[in-house]
Amino acid sequence: NAGVTQTPKFQVLKTGQSMTLQCAQDMNHEYMSWYRQDPGMGLRLIHYSVGAGITDQGEVPNGYNVSRSTTEDFPLRLLSAAPSQTSVYFCASSYGGGYGYTFGSGTRLTVV
Amino acid sequence: AQKVTQAQTEISVVEKEDVTLDCVYETRDTTYYLFWYKQPPSGELVFLIRRNSFDEQNEISGRYSWNFQKSTSSFNFTITASQVVDSAVYFCALMIKAAGNKLTFGGGTRVLVKP
Repeated sequence: NAGVTQTPKFQVLKTGQSMTLQCAQDMNHEYMSWYRQDPGMGLRLIHYSVGAGITDQGEVPNGYNVSRSTTEDFPLRLLSAAPSQTSVYFCASSYGGGYGYTFGSGTRLTVV
Repeated sequence: AQKVTQAQTEISVVEKEDVTLDCVYETRDTTYYLFWYKQPPSGELVFLIRRNSFDEQNEISGRYSWNFQKSTSSFNFTITASQVVDSAVYFCALMIKAAGNKLTFGGGTRVLVKP
């Protein structure tokens, strides 16, 4: 009964490095999303997916890539990390049909 | 386009006072869902309530109550007799079914309950 699992919980990157934030859910949810949370700005949608093989951009997609090869996994890739990407990242999943999203515990990323 | 506005950035109250959090949303769609989430200091996001656009019935659940008014596009949230454990950031969010069930958040309201 894990829900939404995000790894790692903390990460420090140097400018220009790349990395992948992992997200997995075991609830057979079709819908998955990535958000970033910056102080005073709420949560902003980066990318989302309505099912395996289908992804689309959210509000702030630049600098990030996603793919959805399985229903369970939705990794977020930072191509070339920048200090502006220092943030807390949340992954979430939902059945859709108006059901709320279940959120992972977040990844705190610092880019130096 | 969909938008959620939480005009109150921070509210400070003394324990046992009531707190009302305002939420105003914008959408042209007729089928949508509204949510409130709580983010305590530990950082996780906790789902509190969901309302669909066809259900304007207001609800009370323990110390929490919600007031949904389509005429003013508002979905306000009240904590009655606040407690220190209610200290958190509260987010209002809007989901449009026709937009792939994307969830759009307001900026959040930080509630500080002092003993």
